[in-house]
Amino acid sequence: AQSVTQLGSHVSVSEGALVLLRCNYSSSVPPYLFWYVQYPNQGLQLLLKYTSAATLVKGINGFEAEFKKSETSFHLTKPSAHMSDAAEYFCAVSNTGGFKTIFGAGTRLFVKA
Amino acid sequence: DTGVSQNPRHKITKRGQNVTFRCDPISEHNRLYWYRQTLGQGPEFLTYFQNEAQLEKSRLLSDRFSAERPKGSFSTLEIQRTEQGDSAMYLCASSLVSSGRDEQFFGPGTRLTVL
Repeated sequence: AQSVTQLGSHVSVSEGALVLLRCNYSSSVPPYLFWYVQYPNQGLQLLLKYTSAATLVKGINGFEAEFKKSETSFHLTKPSAHMSDAAEYFCAVSNTGGFKTIFGAGTRLFVKA
Repeated sequence: DTGVSQNPRHKITKRGQNVTFRCDPISEHNRLYWYRQTLGQGPEFLTYFQNEAQLEKSRLLSDRFSAERPKGSFSTLEIQRTEQGDSAMYLCASSLVSSGRDEQFFGPGTRLTVL
């Protein structure tokens, strides 16, 4: 069975500071891993995905994530937070077929001016 | 706009009533997914279609829930005899399965409130 744990339901950073959102996964097979962002009253938008190629994955809006198999982690980072980054972020895992995606509970990012 | 669309965006109903939601996927996509998202939680998988065939259903999808994709294009999700616990955001996503890639594109969701 696959599962995702996001550490911290809320993260607050100052504008310009480093963003670090933590995600640990459990999977009995090589996983596909994703980070999605959700703005209020909107659907989910894919930020980036890991599909067994490069372990450091670059996504949109300056975000990147590193797949660490030994730590079963896929943490999301951004060097400098912008006010527009304030949103809910979801880490997700799926099997290689990709049809059943399991989402974490989400981390709400607050950005202070 | 060539994204995934969902209608209605909001639905308020009384307990015991039936409701139906529609999802129009990206036109060339052959897979369509339904998820449910409650407040403070991530989306939970409900079911998915490949073309018109419904290939998997979650145990979350009780007998009161039924989904169809009759012509392999749009899909409907019906909830019969709604209960207050059905209040949630219902998300639809679609993808094109080719060469092992399966990136899901999400619609804006339908927010259901059961009074």
